[in-house]
Parts: sequence; structure tokens; C-alpha cells
Amino acid sequence: DSGVTQTPKHLITATGQRVTLRCSPRSGDLSVYWYQQSLDQGLQFLIQYYNGEERAKGNILERFSAQQFPDLHSELNLSSLELGDSALYFCASSVDVGGTDTQYFGPGTRLTVL
Amino acid sequence: DQQVKQNSPSLSVQEGRISILNCDYTNSMFDYFLWYKKYPAEGPTFLISISSIKDKNEDGRFTVFLNKSAKHLSLHIVPSQPGDSAVYFCAASRGTGFQKLVFGTGTRLLVSP
Repeated sequence: DSGVTQTPKHLITATGQRVTLRCSPRSGDLSVYWYQQSLDQGLQFLIQYYNGEERAKGNILERFSAQQFPDLHSELNLSSLELGDSALYFCASSVDVGGTDTQYFGPGTRLTVL
Repeated sequence: DQQVKQNSPSLSVQEGRISILNCDYTNSMFDYFLWYKKYPAEGPTFLISISSIKDKNEDGRFTVFLNKSAKHLSLHIVPSQPGDSAVYFCAASRGTGFQKLVFGTGTRLLVSP
């Protein structure tokens, strides 16, 4: 158990809908990262937050947005969903902003768009 | 553009033998490299890392080797155990500033008794 929790575990929805994925980092960790893993692909970095502020952006679509709240939990919002958005979405957390901080991953949310 | 490549999607090894997982990268700015292990229905778990100032890092049965000139790293597991059966991801970052990890596509290791 990494100490990072993600809810829900599974999510099935239809095209055009909007969903929210939630992540609670390890106690004491200030950085939260979101990754997307599509079928047979590596994990693709989406976005990073540090202590409530956006820190880095990766290959995140404009239909996706995220935020980190004062209690440090984070939400990833996916809207106007398309079939291709079906994937595993992982959240990770680390103590600080970068350098060589180890990222600890949650179990992921499997999103299926029908 | 796949900056981190794991060209072997799978590897089968017998228990007790050595497992060697390979990873190549293209971005010469990467200076910090990691290996993560992933079991089904779980998130990736950090295994071992290496900074570009070193060419080897060892932790128990796991050793990572880095060849900067070849832009190649490898993970050696000796001896391999059935519990090592998992998907192994290589990842790289620039190490400083912020830690955006760039992951390879993974190698599925199967260790048979």
C-alpha cells in the first residue's frame, strides 16, 4: 500500500459525459501528479500540482482539467468524453517538487467510455 | 516521439536465473532514471533509481546499469524469483526543477519455478 488513494476504482460512462477522478496523496506529500495509461502504452504525464499550484503540464487535453485543494487532495476532471479517453488514470504524490523525490502511485482509476 | 523505449514487451526467465530488462532513451537531457514494477490492479511501485553521475546502483537483488554514451540502461535481477513476475517500467527525468517522468511502455517479466 503506497498510501495514495484514488476513487473510484472503476468508472463506466458514455461519450460526451463528464467525470471527476479523485486522489488523496500520502500524508505529508505536497506534490500530486496525474498520469494516463492507455492500452499497451507507457504512462503519459498529464499535470503536476504542488501545494495547490499548477507546477508542470504535460500532454493534457484542453477537455481535461485538474486542481489541488487546500487539504492537498486533487481532482482530475474529464469532459466531453470520447472513446479514446478510455484508459487507466494514475495519481502519484511526492514530498517536494522534483529533483529526485520518489513518486508514490495510487492504484489507479479505470475509465471506460462507451 | 517515444523518448524512452523498452523494445522487449515480454521476457521469460527461470527461477534462480538472471533477468535483464533493457531500456533506451533518446533525450540527452535526461539525468535521472528509475525503474518501477507494476502488478495487475495496482499502481507502479518504485524499485530503484540511478543518477547520471553514476554508472551502477545496487539494491539487494536489483542492480541498474547506466551507459550514457549509448543512452542505455538495464535492470538486472539476480536471482529471479516467481514473485518478481510483473510489468517493469523504465522512466527518465531531468531530475531538477520538476520531476516529469517519461515512461517506457513496459516489459512483462515472467519468472517460472
